[in-house]
Amino acid sequence: EDKVVQSPLSLVVHEGDTVTLNCSYEVTNFRSLLWYKQEKKAPTFLFMLTSSGIEKKSGRLSSILDKKELFSILNITATQTGDSAVYLCAVSSDYKLSFGAGTTVTVRA
Amino acid sequence: GAVVSQHPSRVICKSGTSVKIECRSLDFQATTMFWYRQFPKQSLMLMATSNEGSKATYEQGVEKDKFLINHASLTLSTLTVTSAHPEDSSFYICSAWTGGASNYGYTFGSGTRLTVV
Repeated sequence: EDKVVQSPLSLVVHEGDTVTLNCSYEVTNFRSLLWYKQEKKAPTFLFMLTSSGIEKKSGRLSSILDKKELFSILNITATQTGDSAVYLCAVSSDYKLSFGAGTTVTVRA
Repeated sequence: GAVVSQHPSRVICKSGTSVKIECRSLDFQATTMFWYRQFPKQSLMLMATSNEGSKATYEQGVEKDKFLINHASLTLSTLTVTSAHPEDSSFYICSAWTGGASNYGYTFGSGTRLTVV
């Protein structure tokens, strides 16, 4: 059975802080790892990672994948209150997505 | 591109009735759709995978007679919750495999919040 484990489950930070979210996985037929942001509705796409060691960046967010150690991290720098959300990690295998439990990030002003 | 429209966004129904949720791919052909449910403060759990023109594949523990999935065309998949009970209250989301239609392969509908009273 495919497993995706995220840590921490939740964290509270102040504006301007940097957060690092972790995602480890065990899946058969790995295709890609995806990060999503969810704010009360459907998830919105952040990144898709398929290759080890290549950092993907979008503004203050960045992510990297380690296929040897089977994990990924998502970094958010200079956090803002608008970053408060649940961040979901999902792994694609055989075209299906298996989701982790998510990390709830709360950014206080 | 690669938009999935999900309807309704919110529905309240009485116990024992059936509810149909629709997901339409607006600008691409969705040969494969995935249906998820999400309980409060939990992650998305895959319920079933539907392929156009064939029977859906259900995940372990999901009752196929209770959650009827129809994928009769390349742009429409439906999930019908039959004889709904309060424990079926949840957030249901569809996702389409877009393949080359987007650069990340999966597009989600906006979700349906079902409340059974």
